Amino acid sequence: DVKVTQSSRYLVKRTGEKVFLECVQDMDHENMFWYRQDPGLGLRLIYFSYDVKMKEKGDIPEGYSVSREKKERFSLILESASTNQTSMYLCASSRLGDRAEGAFFGQGTRLTVV
Amino acid sequence: AQKITQTQPGMFVQEKEAVTLDCTYDTSDPSYGLFWYKQPSSGEMIFLIYQGSYDQQNATEGRYSLNFQKARKSANLVISASQLGDSAMYFCAIMGDSSYKLIFGSGTRLLVRP
Repeated sequence: DVKVTQSSRYLVKRTGEKVFLECVQDMDHENMFWYRQDPGLGLRLIYFSYDVKMKEKGDIPEGYSVSREKKERFSLILESASTNQTSMYLCASSRLGDRAEGAFFGQGTRLTVV
Repeated sequence: AQKITQTQPGMFVQEKEAVTLDCTYDTSDPSYGLFWYKQPSSGEMIFLIYQGSYDQQNATEGRYSLNFQKARKSANLVISASQLGDSAMYFCAIMGDSSYKLIFGSGTRLLVRP
């Protein structure tokens, strides 16, 4: 069974903390994505990676950074968490060159910044 | 750049009736793919159906079909014979060949009435 696994289902962090959200996939996918989901706004792309050490900004990269040192792992970093980063974060992966398969999603991490 | 517009924040449908969820898109890529995902209250993202921009036929998967009108840049999802379990958020998404970013719309919440 294919899997995208996010390290935490729920997280509570304090304002100003450095926060790491981890995502691991076991499908040898080239593409990996980080989204945040907010009511009425859908899924907004934060960052995207198509290869190890490669990254591209999505629509809302401000306040976030990412790391992809290994093909299977894609980390989202909040350098200094703020209350407006309270949200549901979703990681996804997909195979390069095979769009029809779609992207596979993790279970999501609900982050609350207090 | 790609953009997805879903203009129906919420919809109702009677059980066993058919329903159409609207999706329009914008892209500068000559080749792209369109996707529909379902997100039930549990939060998981379920891939429903895919349409390639050069596919000659509209995609179908069981009770799901995609009404693809390329000239109008629309990719509406049709669910036939609605079931109570179809109550969920539905997201339309696009991926172009130039960047492989997967971009989502704001979603439509569908409620199936018994």
